[in-house]
Amino acid sequence: DAKTTQPTSMDCAEGRAANLPCNHSTISGNEYVYWYRQIHSQGPQYIIHGLKNNETNEMASLIITEDRKSSTLILPHATLRDTAVYYCIVRPRDDKIIFGKGTRLHILP
Amino acid sequence: EAQVTQNPRYLITVTGKKLTVTCSQNMNHEYMSWYRQDPGLGLRQIYYSMNVEVTDKGDVPEGYKVSRKEKRNFPLILESPSPNQTSLYFCASSFRDRGPYNSPLHFGNGTRLTVT
Repeated sequence: DAKTTQPTSMDCAEGRAANLPCNHSTISGNEYVYWYRQIHSQGPQYIIHGLKNNETNEMASLIITEDRKSSTLILPHATLRDTAVYYCIVRPRDDKIIFGKGTRLHILP
Repeated sequence: EAQVTQNPRYLITVTGKKLTVTCSQNMNHEYMSWYRQDPGLGLRQIYYSMNVEVTDKGDVPEGYKVSRKEKRNFPLILESPSPNQTSLYFCASSFRDRGPYNSPLHFGNGTRLTVT
């Protein structure tokens, strides 16, 4: 199963771009990278996903390296409401989806 | 409104008393899954189901049972709860694609279970 590695925590100043890295060196050719976030103890919320091309939506941008072994989630203008735990996952064919511990992002006022 | 509904939101019970946490989705999703979340351990998968009558173990299935008799429902059963099953539980669902797996998970609001 493709697993991911993320830093335990990160800080970002309010108004700046938050760049959250993720390593997924064992990803297979047709497996997608997904990002979710969890605010307090709420259910995780989907942010964005991609296969090989960079993606952007109203919440964030996703940059995937050419070899697909790592990716970066970018929150362009972080606000205090973006304080959360961010999970990067790879969805395998067998659907045994492993979430890991994620990155705890602190937005500093 | 498209949603995953878990019940109850909070539950306090005693060791050994059988309980069921229900999960229902109204999006016609094939895939459903249960996770537990404990401090410092992240989200860990308990069981998942790729369709009706098809279930598989996740990483921490011991002490839990599930069933998938209908597409919309995926109950989590604790036959004899123990204190180490005190946790925050999440149900999730999504479509399954036969090609690229590009369907995001939708999560319920969680069930906080305390076993004394």
